[in-house]
Amino acid sequence: DGGITQSPKYLFRKEGQNVTLSCEQNLNHDAMYWYRQDPGQGLRLIYYSQIVNDFQKGDIAEGYSVSREKKESFPLTVTSAQKNPTAFYLCASKFGTGNQPQHFGDGTRLSIL
Amino acid sequence: AQSVTQPDIHITVSEGASLELRCNYSYGATPYLFWYVQSPGQGLQLLLKYFSGDTLVQGIKGFEAEFKRSQSSFNLRKPSVHWSDAAEYFCAWMDSSYKLIFGSGTRLLVRP
Repeated sequence: DGGITQSPKYLFRKEGQNVTLSCEQNLNHDAMYWYRQDPGQGLRLIYYSQIVNDFQKGDIAEGYSVSREKKESFPLTVTSAQKNPTAFYLCASKFGTGNQPQHFGDGTRLSIL
Repeated sequence: AQSVTQPDIHITVSEGASLELRCNYSYGATPYLFWYVQSPGQGLQLLLKYFSGDTLVQGIKGFEAEFKRSQSSFNLRKPSVHWSDAAEYFCAWMDSSYKLIFGSGTRLLVRP
């Protein structure tokens, strides 16, 4: 079955460490997105990519980095510069780069030890 | 700045009762609007979308939404709620660069 796979589902990080969240899709989608979700808030866009080897900052990119070396993969690194990384992270993708709806993975919950 | 407002943080309805979840958006030239549902610890599932044409759109799971330009609203409705509808619901507006702007969500509780 086609879909978006995020791994791991739960992730723990020590302060000062970088950690990478995986997002893989086999839908042949062009665009991919990373969102952060905090309790009582909607989703906020971290980074997005519309094509391989290109990506743009979203509204809250500070302390995060991404790469898009393959069409199906869009990993997110939470760096030590992100002072409040505890959150639920959602990856999404869509076909094309226009008004098509986004489809979401099941998320990764990141916690600081 | 463009924004999406969901004025109700929580809504509780009895099973079998009707439901309306409110969503207001600030003006935009391209009213691409979406409703998503999220179960606890899960990703978002698309319920329905509005791009143009008929202002009443049908979605999955028996949901519908009505676009009212004069009120800048896109409210989600369901005539009879089931216990499995308990979840968080997000309204989203797509801006001119095709990025989604989400409301803060409404959590639906269903009384047996």
